[in-house]
Amino acid sequence: KQEVTQIPAALSVPEGENLVLNCSFTDSAIYNLQWFRQDPGKGLTSLLLIQSSQREQTSGRLNASLDKSSGRSTLYIAASQPGDSATYLCAVRDRDDKIIFGKGTRLHILP
Amino acid sequence: NAGVTQTPKFQVLKTGQSMTLQCAQDMNHEYMSWYRQDPGMGLRLIHYSVGAGITDQGEVPNGYNVSRSTTEDFPLRLLSAAPSQTSVYFCASSYTRTGRTSNYGYTFGSGTRLTVV
Repeated sequence: KQEVTQIPAALSVPEGENLVLNCSFTDSAIYNLQWFRQDPGKGLTSLLLIQSSQREQTSGRLNASLDKSSGRSTLYIAASQPGDSATYLCAVRDRDDKIIFGKGTRLHILP
Repeated sequence: NAGVTQTPKFQVLKTGQSMTLQCAQDMNHEYMSWYRQDPGMGLRLIHYSVGAGITDQGEVPNGYNVSRSTTEDFPLRLLSAAPSQTSVYFCASSYTRTGRTSNYGYTFGSGTRLTVV
């Protein structure tokens, strides 16, 4: 059974710092991995999608990497801003085409 | 292009009542699914479908029914509401991995906040 873990569960950093969020999964037979952002009381917004054949994807200040063999992905946020405060979720698409989510990392950027 | 539309946005039910949460997408996605999100539990898969006429159970299917008569719609039925079903429900869709595009990222609706009293 695929399990997705995100560490840490919560993180507070001063504005301007670079930071890394971690995601690990137990079954390396995935088809893709997707990072989402969720603001309080809101839905999920897709940030980056990495196909299983890719090693990383970039969008603006965000960079996501994937190491399928070790079951790990990282989301790197450069020059953090207060507007980056949100919960970040990673999800993997498994061999049965199901999407399995981690419980998320709550990020707070201190002004 | 509306994406994934969920209705209603808010609902209060009494224990034992039944209701249907609606989900519709206009992207011709084969794959649709329902999740519930509870504090500390993350997003848990209730039911999913890989195409019209095909449905399957996820992690927490008890108390919920689904059907997929069209590609566009994937309603979630609560048969007899219980306080334990108080949650935020999200519908999501994507192409399947055997679909017409390699871009099979996931698109979410805005959610339905359900309270059962």
